[in-house]
Amino acid sequence: SQTIHQWPATLVQPVGSPLSLECTVEGTSNPNLYWYRQAAGRGLQLLFYSVGIGQISSEVPQNLSASRPQDRQFILSSKKLLLSDSGFYLCAWKSRSTSSYEQYFGPGTRLTVT
Amino acid sequence: GNSVTQMEGPVTLSEEAFLTINCTYTATGYPSLFWYVQYPGEGLQLLLKATKADDKGSNKGFEATYRKETTSFHLEKGSVQVSDSAVYFCALIWQAGTALIFGKGTTLSVSS
Repeated sequence: SQTIHQWPATLVQPVGSPLSLECTVEGTSNPNLYWYRQAAGRGLQLLFYSVGIGQISSEVPQNLSASRPQDRQFILSSKKLLLSDSGFYLCAWKSRSTSSYEQYFGPGTRLTVT
Repeated sequence: GNSVTQMEGPVTLSEEAFLTINCTYTATGYPSLFWYVQYPGEGLQLLLKATKADDKGSNKGFEATYRKETTSFHLEKGSVQVSDSAVYFCALIWQAGTALIFGKGTTLSVSS
């Protein structure tokens, strides 16, 4: 069966510090991968998605970036965090081998920028 | 553009009560529709889905029917339990490579 991991689970970082969040998927090959952010009291917003190694699409212009160095690894980064970057970051995957469209989410990383 | 509107919460019910959480959507074409559930401090879990008009998705006693004529996908459960307390998100997608579009979520609180 497929599993998705995210780490760290929680993170407290000062404004201006760098960020690296990691997501890995097991049990599937060549998935679509997604980064979403859930801000307090708000819904989920897609930040980035990837259909393959090195292929990243950005949905929202901001000081965050994403990379996909390996087939099942997706990394969210920032060079300098802002207070507004606080939130709950969720990684998701979707199988490309089926015609179904559902996405499966990881446990999330709660980021607090102070 | 595509959008999802959910009833605002919180919804507070007693155990064994009937649950309805309304969801309507605006979309081009024929999207796939989903309900996700988020328990406190956790990620989202897929609860149920429907991919075409009149489909009924069901799981763990929850049901939702894809109503194209009313562009709705309301979530129902006949008898809620305390363990159902969570945030419920309605979502749609109409193209495989793009984002799920979520409603803002509805918080359900069930007391014994």
